[in-house]
Amino acid sequence: QVQLQESGPGLAKPSETLSLTCNVSDTSISTYYWTWIRQPPGKGLEWIGYIYDSGSTSYNPSLKSRVTISVDTSKNQLSLKMSSVTAADTAMYYCVRDRINCNGPTCFYYFDYWGQGTLVAVSS
Amino acid sequence: SSELTQDPAVSVALGQTVRITCQGDTLRSYYASWYQQKPGQAPVLVIYGKNNRPSGIPDRFSGSSSGNTASLTITGAQAEDEADYYCNSRDNSGKHRVFGGGTKLTVV
Repeated sequence: QVQLQESGPGLAKPSETLSLTCNVSDTSISTYYWTWIRQPPGKGLEWIGYIYDSGSTSYNPSLKSRVTISVDTSKNQLSLKMSSVTAADTAMYYCVRDRINCNGPTCFYYFDYWGQGTLVAVSS
Repeated sequence: SSELTQDPAVSVALGQTVRITCQGDTLRSYYASWYQQKPGQAPVLVIYGKNNRPSGIPDRFSGSSSGNTASLTITGAQAEDEADYYCNSRDNSGKHRVFGGGTKLTVV
């Protein structure tokens, strides 16, 4: 059974760089797309970005200047770095396995496995 | 603003059928996927593609799409279906993903 376990500092100060990791079990991190998604308290889901082929990335245009997603294939681990955080970055952060299945010209995109999330509060 | 629009709240009587919709121009090109989120829990995939259910998802959940609208239908809603539901798809550029704002389903 695929398992994803996020970890992070819990609390970050404004203007700092936030670093989160996600340990991936029972699936190869090299084989799939991997995505970070966040959810501010009481609000909806926001797609942050994904990585595939162990280095190709795509980011939410609203976050692109502050976000870096990377993988460590030796540790089967996914990482997220977000710079210059503010209170607006307070959220639950999820790492997610991202699937793309294509049958000819038709492709399906979906997130099939989610971690339990790690809560990050940004406060001085 | 989100490129995918959902009604903020929908209610359904126990055992009845409810349709939750997701609208956006991008849905003319890409299928939506649907996620159920209960309080304090991570979202769970319930429908993807044309109308595919992951293993373990009850067959009362189904999906459909027409034009710029994707729909999640629950036929015979149960009390345990009370949750927030989110749609997701690619955005208009085709390079990124986008979520709808979510629909809170109440089973009365």
